Amino acid sequence: AQSVTQPDARVTVSEGASLQLRCKYSSSVTPYLFWYVQYPRQGLQLLLKYYSGDPVVQGVNGFEAEFSKSNSSFHLRKASVHWSDSAVYFCAVSITGYQNFYFGKGTSLTVIP
Amino acid sequence: ETAVFQTPNYHVTQVGNEVSFNCKQTLGHDTMYWYKQDSKKLLKIMFSYNNKQLIVNETVPRRFSPQSSDKAHLNLRIKSVEPEDSAVYLCASSSGTGGAEQYFGPGTRLTVL
Repeated sequence: AQSVTQPDARVTVSEGASLQLRCKYSSSVTPYLFWYVQYPRQGLQLLLKYYSGDPVVQGVNGFEAEFSKSNSSFHLRKASVHWSDSAVYFCAVSITGYQNFYFGKGTSLTVIP
Repeated sequence: ETAVFQTPNYHVTQVGNEVSFNCKQTLGHDTMYWYKQDSKKLLKIMFSYNNKQLIVNETVPRRFSPQSSDKAHLNLRIKSVEPEDSAVYLCASSSGTGGAEQYFGPGTRLTVL
């Protein structure tokens, strides 16, 4: 069975600071890994996706994520956050041959100006 | 650019009424989904559907049913709403292959009085 854990329900950072949002997954096979963002009163938007290759994958708006097979992790990072990055961030996994996603519970990010 | 459209944006209704939400995607995808997002932002998949197979989350009450006229449309009907049905309902689509990212609509917020 697959599962996703986002251990931090809420994160608060100051504008201009660096950011790391944590994601750990459990899967019997190498999964596809995703980060999505949900701004207030909107649907989810894809930030980035990873399956293989360079463990550091670049996404939109300066976000990147690093895959670690040994740690079963896929943490999201940003070097310098902006107040507009305030949103809920979801980590998700998908398995080859299946259509469903397994979402984490989300991390609510607040950026203080 | 929105490619998954949902109507209405909001809906307020009384307990016991029937409601129907619409979803249309213009991405040419062959698989569509309905998710329920509760007040804590938790995402729960309700249905996934392509032209060959409907997969129902076994925890979804029978008063919920998906309705599809073609692969670009997947509506959600709730036969007799209950207070616990108050939530945001998100529609998504994907190409259906394992690992394909899902694209989300903006959601329909349902309030049951």
